This record gives sequence, structure tokens and C-alpha cells, in this order.
Amino acid sequence: DTVLTQSPALAVSPGERVTISCRASESVSTLMHWYQQKPGQQPKLLIYLASHLESGVPARFSGSGSGTDFTLTIDPVEADDTATYYCQQSWNDPYTFGAGTKLELK
Amino acid sequence: EVQLQQSGPEVGRPGSSVKISCKASGYTFTDYVMNWVKQSPGQGLEWIGWIDPEYGSTDYAEKFKKKATLTADTSSSTAYIQLSSLTSEDTATYFCARLGLVTIAAISTGVMDAWGQGASVTVSS
Repeated sequence: DTVLTQSPALAVSPGERVTISCRASESVSTLMHWYQQKPGQQPKLLIYLASHLESGVPARFSGSGSGTDFTLTIDPVEADDTATYYCQQSWNDPYTFGAGTKLELK
Repeated sequence: EVQLQQSGPEVGRPGSSVKISCKASGYTFTDYVMNWVKQSPGQGLEWIGWIDPEYGSTDYAEKFKKKATLTADTSSSTAYIQLSSLTSEDTATYFCARLGLVTIAAISTGVMDAWGQGASVTVSS
């Protein structure tokens, strides 16, 4: 299975720029997607195919990467962005998720 | 508006089975594959498998092949997951998620573009 390794929990102040990383154990081309999960809620799709913003998602969110290294950027961070962020690949079967990066606001 | 409405919390005894439902609305049920994802308490997300409601075909992650059974009822636009031989390891929240197809520059793949609210399963004697 393709293992996705994410950066550990992060704490930032509102208005700052934050990058969340995801590294795949093998190439997944650009078939990497990002989800946001707020406490007690279901996940929500933010970015698909590495860099494409899902409809309705604020332009503060962006994604980049290909192959094995991917990044989700939030700029500027707002208080409402407190959540856990997961990367997920669809290049290989089975689909796999990263362990999640918990973003906290100072 | 696409909506996936899941059934309520379940409590199952060790060794028994539970069945969770996911009723879809706002789109044509048979046009999209339905995924199921497990989230253990305080943990991350695990993909269980998917079902194509139009054909009834399924695919499972290896570790869930003997644990989960996915079915769908097209007459009611409802997908189901049955979990058998329950153990404490099955205590979790289970999400259904629609697989939407995205295509960019000749690259196509499915993404989980709509999610149910989750259904909790507690295994307890």
C-alpha cells in the first residue's frame, strides 16, 4: 500500500501563511487530494489532483506537488481554519490517507 | 444539493453484526460510485471500499474483505455497509462518501466530493 506521511501538528497565528506537507512512499503522479475535517464533522474536499481548488473553497487554499511530494498552503490563515487536514492518493489501489495534520490557531 | 444522510448510532455485541445506511439525494444515485471510510476514535481515515450502485460491483481494501459487505438499493437510493463478527477494533465512525470523477488534461480520477455525516458504531457487551 502507498504510505502517505504528513507533517506533525502545527500552530500558527491568524494572518500568517502555513504549509502542510505530504510525502508518498511511491510516486502517485498528481493523483493527490486534500480534505479538511473540523472536530465532530465529516471531511470536506479542498483540493483535487494536487492543485485544483474544489468549487466553493476559498482561494486562500492552494496545493502543489507531483510524484511523491505535495503541499497544501493556506494564506492567510483564519480562525475558522482550525481543523485536521488529510492528504489522500487515488493513484494506487487501495486508496490511502495520510495520518492528518492538526492545525491550531494561536 | 447533494446530500448523504446516514443512519443513527449503533451498538453491537462482540461477535454480532451491524448494518449502516447512507441515503443519497440531489443526484442520480446510479451515476456515482459510493465509498466507505472508517475513522477510529481520535484516529485518521481508512478507506474500506466502494460499490458501484448501477452494477453492484465492489472493491475492498484487503483488511476489510472479511469484515465489511457493501450493498446498494437503487429503488431507494441507499447504500449500506454491514460489519460482521464485531470486535472492539470495529468501534469507530463510518462515513459514506460519493466518488466524483474529475478530469484535468486527460488525467481522470475519482475524488470523495460529498460525505455523509458519519455513523458511530460501538462494540460493547
